[in-house]
Amino acid sequence: LAKTTQPISMDSYEGQEVNITCSHNNIATNDYITWYQQFPSQGPRFIIQGYKTKVTNEVASLFIPADRKSSTLSLPRVSLSDTAVYYCLVGDDSNYQLIWGAGTKLIIKP
Amino acid sequence: EPEVTQTPSHQVTQMGQEVILRCVPISNHLYFYWYRQILGQKVEFLVSFYNNEISEKSEIFDDQFSVERPDGSNFTLKIRSTKLEDSAMYFCASSERGMGYEQYFGPGTRLTVT
Repeated sequence: LAKTTQPISMDSYEGQEVNITCSHNNIATNDYITWYQQFPSQGPRFIIQGYKTKVTNEVASLFIPADRKSSTLSLPRVSLSDTAVYYCLVGDDSNYQLIWGAGTKLIIKP
Repeated sequence: EPEVTQTPSHQVTQMGQEVILRCVPISNHLYFYWYRQILGQKVEFLVSFYNNEISEKSEIFDDQFSVERPDGSNFTLKIRSTKLEDSAMYFCASSERGMGYEQYFGPGTRLTVT
């Protein structure tokens, strides 16, 4: 099972772009990279998923280099409401036991 | 937008009692999961369920726990003989495809064992 490593916490300011990098050195060929967001006392919420290169949706972009040993979640122009914990996970259908790390606690300041 | 629902939102029980946490996954999803999150700690996988049987379970999911899909819509987690350390948020999730793909989480049930 691929293990992920993320910074424990990050601070930024409203209107800034925030990039959170996740390391997953032993990612398997069939693994996807998925990011979730969690607010206090709520269930995690899917943000974005990718396999390689770049994926963009209405809330974030995910950059994955060719070796796929890391990935970067990019949040454009953050607001105070983006303050949350962000989790990076890797896995596929055969990795039923997705391992959740401690995540990155992102604090956005005014 | 379809969502996963969970009941109750908060359950208080005495040590040694049995509790059943209920979840209604998204209707066209085939994979169901239970997770636990102790206050201030990381999300922990408990069990996954597919095709009416457990697909995978973690070390946490011992004989004290069981899951069931009693009908076509509900998915339950039973915790027998609760202990103080079972106090946590319990999240149900479902996905259209397997675990490595997008999972939709419910709002959680806060279990307090006294």
